[in-house]
This record gives sequence, C-alpha cells and structure tokens, in this order.
Amino acid sequence: EIVLTQSPDFQSVTPKEKVTITCRASQSIGSSLHWYQQKPDQSPKLLIKFASQSFSGVPSRFSGSGSGTDFTLTINSLEAEDAATYYCHQSSSFPGTFGQGTKVEIK
Amino acid sequence: EVQLLESGGGLVQPGGSLRLSCAASGFAFSSYAMSWVRQTPGKGLEWVSAISGSADTTYYADSVRGRFSISRDNSKNTLYLQMNSLRADDTAVFYCAKLSCSSPSCYPFDYWGQGTLVTISS
Repeated sequence: EIVLTQSPDFQSVTPKEKVTITCRASQSIGSSLHWYQQKPDQSPKLLIKFASQSFSGVPSRFSGSGSGTDFTLTINSLEAEDAATYYCHQSSSFPGTFGQGTKVEIK
Repeated sequence: EVQLLESGGGLVQPGGSLRLSCAASGFAFSSYAMSWVRQTPGKGLEWVSAISGSADTTYYADSVRGRFSISRDNSKNTLYLQMNSLRADDTAVFYCAKLSCSSPSCYPFDYWGQGTLVTISS
C-alpha cells in the first residue's frame, strides 16, 4: 500500500499569507495525486486533480505542483473561508489512499 | 448541479445490518462509476467500495469484503451499500462519491455527498 504523508499536520496562518502544504508518497506515483478541501461539518471537495490541474470553479489562489513522490498544494493570499482540512489522495495504485490531512486555521 | 444525498445511517448493534442509499441528480448517473468512502477521526478517509457505471464491476476494501455489498439502480439514479455483520470499527461517516468516468478506477472523486453517520454500538 502506498502511504501518503502530509506536512505539517496543523498550520495557523494570517489572512493574505501564502500557505504551502506538502504530500510525500512512499513510492513514485507519477502525477496521480489529487487534493481535497474539507471545511468543518462539510464533505470533501475536489480542488486539484493530477497534481496540478485545477478543478472547475476552484479559485485561482489554489495551485498544485509536483510529480513522483513529492507534491505541494499552495494557497496564495489565504482568505478566511479557506479555513479547512486539506487532504491529498493518490490514485496510482488502486484503490488509492489518502494522506492524514493538514488543518489550516486562520489567526 | 451535481447533487448526492445519502441516507440510511443510524445506530446499530454489533452484528447487525444497515443499508445506505445515495440519491444522485444533476448528471448522467449511469455513465459514471460511484464509490463509498468512510471517514473516522482515528483512521481518516478510507475507500470502502466502488461500482462501475453499468454495475458489471464491483470492488471492495479488504476490511469489508464479504460483509458489504455495493449496488446501483440506474433507473432510480440511486447507489446502495448493504452492510452486514457490522463491527464497532465500522463506525464512521459514510460518503458516496462520484468518479470521473464509468470505470471504478477513474479517479479522482469529483463530487461527494454530505455523508451519513453509522454508529455500531451495543
């Protein structure tokens, strides 16, 4: 099973600051890495697919990069509504696995 | 607008059964594979099962194989999860999620339902 390890587990950030979340895979997964946002008491929502492709309707401040084993989700100019837990998800090896999540808190 | 609405969760004793439903709207249901994903505070997000758009292919996580059964009724735009021999460690919020094409391996999950809570306890 491919293990995804996210860092940090928790981040407290002021509005307009840049946020960087990393996801490391235990083996190479190419670009088969997706990012989801889960706000409190809501279901996950797709942000980025295949490492760097923005999903429809997602604000442009969200971007993804990386390939192989190391991936990054960047939130440029954080807004209050971005307070959430962010998960990475690999689909290189069926049925896929998720990272443990990174909680972003607004200071 | 894609909408997925789960129902059927609740409190069940160990060894009991439950059937979850997921009513879909806003897309051509039979053209897309669907999946169930569960979430617990301790284990996070865990894929449970998936079914192809035509219902001819199903997959299960090792932890539920032989106890859970996924199905769909494309005439009713509804996905199901029959859960038998439930255990305490099945306690979770269960989400239905839409895949990106008709194959169960066609990731990512592009839309999720709001979730339904399943609690297994005596």
